[in-house]
Amino acid sequence: DGGITQSPKYLFRKEGQNVTLSCEQNLNHDAMYWYRQDPGQGLRLIYYSQIVNDFQKGDIAEGYSVSREKKESFPLTVTSAQKNPTAFYLCASSIGSGTTGQYFGAGTRLSVL
Amino acid sequence: QKEVEQDPGPLSVPEGAIVSLNCTYSNSAFQYFMWYRQYSRKGPELLMYTYSSGNKEDGRFTAQVDKSSKYISLFIRDSQPSDSATYLCAMSAKGGGNKLTFGTGTQLKVEL
Repeated sequence: DGGITQSPKYLFRKEGQNVTLSCEQNLNHDAMYWYRQDPGQGLRLIYYSQIVNDFQKGDIAEGYSVSREKKESFPLTVTSAQKNPTAFYLCASSIGSGTTGQYFGAGTRLSVL
Repeated sequence: QKEVEQDPGPLSVPEGAIVSLNCTYSNSAFQYFMWYRQYSRKGPELLMYTYSSGNKEDGRFTAQVDKSSKYISLFIRDSQPSDSATYLCAMSAKGGGNKLTFGTGTQLKVEL
């Protein structure tokens, strides 16, 4: 089955800790994205990558980092510099520039201990 | 003012009703329009995408774009309890790279 797999489903972060969210796709899509979803605010773009070894900041990149070493994988690290990390994190992928839509994983819910 | 406005609802309708969900936007450069359905604690699921103005139909769903009014709609015919979810509109500009701008979502409840 083709799709996007995010893990873990739930994640807890202690203060001062970096945590990494996994995103893997087997759709052979070139582009991948990370969004943050907060109640009442819609989806906000954190980072995106159009090709391997290249990525761009989105609207709210501060406190986050990414890598794109493989086409299938786009992990997101939430660093200790992100002071309000509690949110629902969504990974997506698309064919080309995504004008026919982006396809989402099931999400990771991150909470602070 | 947000680039994309969407009434948060909740919108409650009886089973079998026709549902109309809407978004307005301010950026005249938007040319690609999408509708997503999101169940509670799940990722959004792409329902439909359209380019520029006009209508597009897929089963019980019809997407409509009126660029002159900067207004898009999603109609759901013969609504079912399984349609109960949050519906998100999203849009992007030609040459805007990969950036999608999302509405905040409308919560729909279809009651028996």
